[in-house]
Amino acid sequence: ETGVTQTPRHLVMGMTNKKSLKCEQHLGHNAMYWYKQSAKKPLELMFVYNFKEQTENNSVPSRFSPECPNSSHLFLHLHTLQPEDSALYLCASSRGDSGANVLTFGAGSRLTVL
Amino acid sequence: DQQVKQNSPSLSVQEGRISILNCDYTNSMFDYFLWYKKYPAEGPTFLISISSIKDKNEDGRFTVFLNKSAKHLSLHIVPSQPGDSAVYFCAARANAGGTSYGKLTFGQGTILTVHP
Repeated sequence: ETGVTQTPRHLVMGMTNKKSLKCEQHLGHNAMYWYKQSAKKPLELMFVYNFKEQTENNSVPSRFSPECPNSSHLFLHLHTLQPEDSALYLCASSRGDSGANVLTFGAGSRLTVL
Repeated sequence: DQQVKQNSPSLSVQEGRISILNCDYTNSMFDYFLWYKKYPAEGPTFLISISSIKDKNEDGRFTVFLNKSAKHLSLHIVPSQPGDSAVYFCAARANAGGTSYGKLTFGQGTILTVHP
């Protein structure tokens, strides 16, 4: 596979569930990102990792917990979410995290919290 | 405070005509601007970019214009094709000093529909 792959593509969960979103990139990039896209809102940056180290947490609630075991994999662990957390969660990667690099996005994981 | 705004949620254009998508920004530190295109069920893909030292960048049917004094940029697609129907996101990054750059700030997107 090439590019950025996200699984699952769709997820429905209750507010008391614990689930995880997975992202994998085969581009040899060193930086990985989680973005949230809510309806009619701009893409919101959540987390940035560079060489497995978190370099940015954009004031994200602790019910979202990222994990980056290596430069190719990124997870977003979800627990006790709220219905307003329902959104499209996009993973992206780039060569570095300097902002000078173009992001390559995955297709997203559509999350619905009941 | 939304620093990058796309005030038109949608745009409908006839095939063969010009599509003009607009984007306004407020942060004067932004020095690099990008357009991404997103089809349903796919992630956004990079389309074209422009540095603040330029006022125009062209790539085939796509041209981006930058008006720094007005803090406005636009994406022109000519001629428009039905396959161009997608959501278009404007994004900007700030120069944080030297070779350090801030992260991309996105607009909310404009849905372009090109009718055959």
